[in-house]
Amino acid sequence: DAGVIQSPRHEVTEMGQEVTLRCKPISGHNSLFWYRQTMMRGLELLIYFNNNVPIDDSGMPEDRFSAKMPNASFSTLKIQPSEPRDSAVYFCASRGDQWDTGELFFGEGSRLTVL
Amino acid sequence: TQLLEQSPQFLSIQEGENLTVYCNSSSVFSSLQWYRQEPGEGPVLLVTVVTGGEVKKLKRLTFQFGDARKDSSLHITAAQPGDTGLYLCAGVDSGGSNYKLTFGKGTLLTVNP
Repeated sequence: DAGVIQSPRHEVTEMGQEVTLRCKPISGHNSLFWYRQTMMRGLELLIYFNNNVPIDDSGMPEDRFSAKMPNASFSTLKIQPSEPRDSAVYFCASRGDQWDTGELFFGEGSRLTVL
Repeated sequence: TQLLEQSPQFLSIQEGENLTVYCNSSSVFSSLQWYRQEPGEGPVLLVTVVTGGEVKKLKRLTFQFGDARKDSSLHITAAQPGDTGLYLCAGVDSGGSNYKLTFGKGTLLTVNP
């Protein structure tokens, strides 16, 4: 079975450009998470969707970040305009249920570098 | 905000040695998970612990959940180079939202052959 699929794997862009990261969760999973990982701050939860509805976006850094989940098989994380401090690895993860003991399945991540 | 402190931050050992890494918080967890992350990949779940005092074994890995559910440890016996990776603990605050899994910064383990 395919796992969580993220694209692109690597993105290098210049400050001020728009960046769109994409995620396809595991089929049948109803919870989707976007995390950001840096050396300084570790893994930080950005936003959580349940049944395609954003439940908690308190981790989204600022208005430059937005996320959508138009259907159960696709989500995007957009940064506009991008800044050098946004450089990080962005992970999408899905879970098959809403219970806290459920396993999170992570994608391989999208490494973003903003010059 | 729940904070998870992991120690040590870095650990480099020789093949065959034993090691223990720790995950501590001032908050009580309803559950705690350990993940391992290899370079260029996402974290992969190793174990979930739920009950205070619980001990779980996964081959050479032993996981323990503290009695008060505020801390956890991971012990590896006879470490092998394949154990190299970033070990992350993640917990759900018992007083918070049940979906919100907060991660520690991890312990980066290197096992040298």
